[in-house]
Amino acid sequence: AQKVTQAQTEISVVEKEDVTLDCVYETRDTTYYLFWYKQPPSGELVFLIRRNSFDEQNEISGRYSWNFQKSTSSFNFTITASQVVDSAVYFCALSGSQGGKLIFGQGTELSVKP
Amino acid sequence: NAGVTQTPKFRVLKTGQSMTLLCAQDMNHEYMYWYRQDPGMGLRLIHYSVGEGTTAKGEVPDGYNVSRLKKQNFLLGLESAAPSQTSVYFCASRTIAGGSYNEQFFGPGTRLTVL
Repeated sequence: AQKVTQAQTEISVVEKEDVTLDCVYETRDTTYYLFWYKQPPSGELVFLIRRNSFDEQNEISGRYSWNFQKSTSSFNFTITASQVVDSAVYFCALSGSQGGKLIFGQGTELSVKP
Repeated sequence: NAGVTQTPKFRVLKTGQSMTLLCAQDMNHEYMYWYRQDPGMGLRLIHYSVGEGTTAKGEVPDGYNVSRLKKQNFLLGLESAAPSQTSVYFCASRTIAGGSYNEQFFGPGTRLTVL
């Protein structure tokens, strides 16, 4: 069975701090895809990044970076120099080969205080 | 492009009432999905469709039915609403162009309360 675990339910930081959101996944598929979505207080889901199981290169996009490690089945997300606008719930999700269905983690609520 | 739209945005039902949630996408996406979001549980897949006229069960299908008569629309029905179906419902779609690598695009959500 596929499973995504985001052990951090809530994180609170002060603006300009760095913060890492953890994501651990389980799957028996050899080909799979990992995603991060952001859900700001307005409620919509915003796509941030996707990664396939054959690409373990880390990625950086501005203040955001992602660390994918197959050896530990983890796909962690780091925000550098956090800002108040980063306050949101962040979801990690896993997709296998069947219909592209997404298995979501429970989400991590990030609060960035000024 | 409007992307993925959902109707209605809010709804309050009494136990036993029925209703249909409409999802529409204008991106010509082949796959469409219905999820529900409950506090502390992330999003869970209810039903999905890989093409016009086809539907399949997801993780939590009980109490829901779906139909995909047109490629751009995906309907979610509750025949006899129960308080346990109080949730926020999200529709999503994605293209299969290029394979399974593509992200899903989500609608704004429908907040449903069943009293």
